[in-house]
Amino acid sequence: QLQLQESGPGLVRPSETLSLTCTVSGDSISRNTHFWAWIRQPPGKGLEWIGSINHSGNTYYKPSLKGRVTISIDTSKNQFFLRLNSVTAADTAMYYCARELGGAADFWGRGTLVTVSS
Amino acid sequence: QSALTQPRSVSGSPGQSVTISCTGTSRDVGGYNYVSWYQQHPDKAPKLMIYDVIKRPSGVPDRFSGAKSGNTASLTISGLQADDEGDYYCCSQADDYVVFGGGTKLTVL
Repeated sequence: QLQLQESGPGLVRPSETLSLTCTVSGDSISRNTHFWAWIRQPPGKGLEWIGSINHSGNTYYKPSLKGRVTISIDTSKNQFFLRLNSVTAADTAMYYCARELGGAADFWGRGTLVTVSS
Repeated sequence: QSALTQPRSVSGSPGQSVTISCTGTSRDVGGYNYVSWYQQHPDKAPKLMIYDVIKRPSGVPDRFSGAKSGNTASLTISGLQADDEGDYYCCSQADDYVVFGGGTKLTVL
């Protein structure tokens, strides 16, 4: 059974960089034809797709986050990563990683709460 | 890249049917047969209920069904059960990104 697990700091200072890791187990990222996504949900609000990457490193991002976000992948470690620069309080959210194709995310991590605060 | 439009809330009694709409544009819902629906219970990760407009993942009851007409997709839940209560989100592939709806709170009366 495919499993995903988010990890990273739970507190980030304003203007700094948010960095998260998603570790995939139960299958190899490099054998998988799906994309690997980051999705976030501010407290009490709806879901927001951030971006996705495939095993070849092809990425696509939410247009309004382009320039601040980078998603990368390390197939040797079966991990993919999120970096979000110049964070503000508006970036406070539960961050999920997921496997997706065409927007259909069938496996999700449990999520990790990231708070932006000084 | 505006969010897809969903009603903020719907409700129904056990055994009844409810339909949740999801309106986008020709650049997302209307342009692709890649609409998906998610159910989310409090403090839980979302669960995929429908993908590719009409398909159900293994384990999702056939009480859940999806459809699309033009720029509007819909999720119908028949035979409502108490455990269906929660938040529902639609999602669509767009030109070079993915967009979610704002979410609909389903209350089972």
